[in-house]
Amino acid sequence: EIVLTQSPATLSLSPGERATLSCRASQSVSSYLAWYQQKAGQAPRLLIYDASNRATGIPARFSGSGSGTDFTLTISSLEPEDSAVYYCQQRSNWPFTFGPGTKVDIK
Amino acid sequence: QVQLVASGGGVVQPGRSLRLSCATSGFTFSNTAMHWVRQAPGKGLECVSLITYDGTNTLYADSVKGRFTISRDISKNMLYLDMSGLRPEDTAVYYCARENRLHYGYYDYWGQGTLVTVSS
Repeated sequence: EIVLTQSPATLSLSPGERATLSCRASQSVSSYLAWYQQKAGQAPRLLIYDASNRATGIPARFSGSGSGTDFTLTISSLEPEDSAVYYCQQRSNWPFTFGPGTKVDIK
Repeated sequence: QVQLVASGGGVVQPGRSLRLSCATSGFTFSNTAMHWVRQAPGKGLECVSLITYDGTNTLYADSVKGRFTISRDISKNMLYLDMSGLRPEDTAVYYCARENRLHYGYYDYWGQGTLVTVSS
C-alpha cells in the first residue's frame, strides 16, 4: 500500500497570504495524485487531479505541482472560505490512499 | 444535476450486518465506476471498495475484504454496500463517490454520507 504523508499538519494564515501544502508518497505515483478540500460537516470536493489540473469550477488561486513522490498544493491568495482540511489522494495503485490531511485555518 | 444520496446507516452491534444504499441521478450510471469511501470520526479518508461501470470487477481494502460486498443495480441507478461481521473499527461515515469518467481513480461527486456506528 502506498502511504501518503502531508505537511504541515496545521497551517494558520491570514486572508491574502499564500498557502503551500506538501504531500509525499512512499513510492512513485507518477502524476496520479489529486487534492481534495473538506469543510466541516461536508463531503470532500475535488480540487486538482493528475497533480496539476484544476477540476471543473475550481478557482484559479488553487494550483498543484509535482510528480513522482513529492507534490505541492498552493493557494495563491487565501480567502476566508478556504478554511478546511486538504487531503491528497493517489490512484496509482489499489488501494487508492489518502494522506492524513492538512488543516488550514484562516486567522 | 448529479446527485448521490446515501442511506442505511445506523447503530449496529458487533458481528451484525448492515446494507448501505446510494441512490444516484443526473448522470449515466451504467457507464461510471463507483466507490465507497469511509471516514472514522475525526479521522482521515479510506477507500473501501470500488465497482467497475458494468459490475464485472470489484476491489476491496484489506480491512474489509471477505466481510463487505459492493454491488450495483443498473436498472435502478443504485449502488450498495453489504457489510457483515461488523467491528467497532468499522464505525465511520460512509460516502458513495462517483469516479470521474475521463480521469480514472478520482472522485468528482460525493454523496452526503451515512453514519455507521458499531457498538454493543
